[in-house]
Amino acid sequence: KTQVEQSPQSLVVRQGENCVLQCNYSVTPDNHLRWFKQDTGKGLVSLTVLVHENDKTSNGRYSATLDKDAKHSTLHITATLLDDTATYICVVGDRGSALGRLHFGAGTQLIVIP
Amino acid sequence: EAAVTQSPRNKVTVTGGNVTLSCRQTNSHNYMYWYRQDTGHGLRLIHYSYGAGNLQIGDVPDGYKATRTTQEDFFLLLELASPSQTSLYFCASNRDNYAEQFFGPGTRLTVL
Repeated sequence: KTQVEQSPQSLVVRQGENCVLQCNYSVTPDNHLRWFKQDTGKGLVSLTVLVHENDKTSNGRYSATLDKDAKHSTLHITATLLDDTATYICVVGDRGSALGRLHFGAGTQLIVIP
Repeated sequence: EAAVTQSPRNKVTVTGGNVTLSCRQTNSHNYMYWYRQDTGHGLRLIHYSYGAGNLQIGDVPDGYKATRTTQEDFFLLLELASPSQTSLYFCASNRDNYAEQFFGPGTRLTVL
């Protein structure tokens, strides 16, 4: 059973618009949650990591929130650029120890059009 | 910036073929991982290692072997490739297994 669900599966926005990507998970325990950006044909690049209950992070035009009670995270992209076209992947780490495993979502494909 | 390289970047083989995918990291990281990525699925862990000579089984290990010959090098071996192994393969590394993982650019494998 998929433990990390992302929505929407795909999204098309016009350059300059804002967008919100969702991540719901059932992983227990949930030590941390990380958002990655994956350009087509490339590896994953970390955007931000959230660790604590009600964490909020900001990295330029990217901002993220985490609600551990609801097991839910959002990634906001402000004033999208054409280079934001990519797949955004939510990953939940279950432990902060050598026993930990990462649980990957299938990703949201974002397409930014002129 | 941590560096992880993979080779080859693209590989085509036939059913029953023998394939080796290579990964090198120059970050002095202890942990290295092999994942496969398929449409509609999140990345799935095949094998991982926490040091030279060590090998741990991941979540989808069937049909794959791996070897960690040095701290820098981690290889994924498909000794009898099957079409179901057609996928995009990623290598990653990190200092400790709960730290940020750094990913290679991927190897696209096609098994005909």
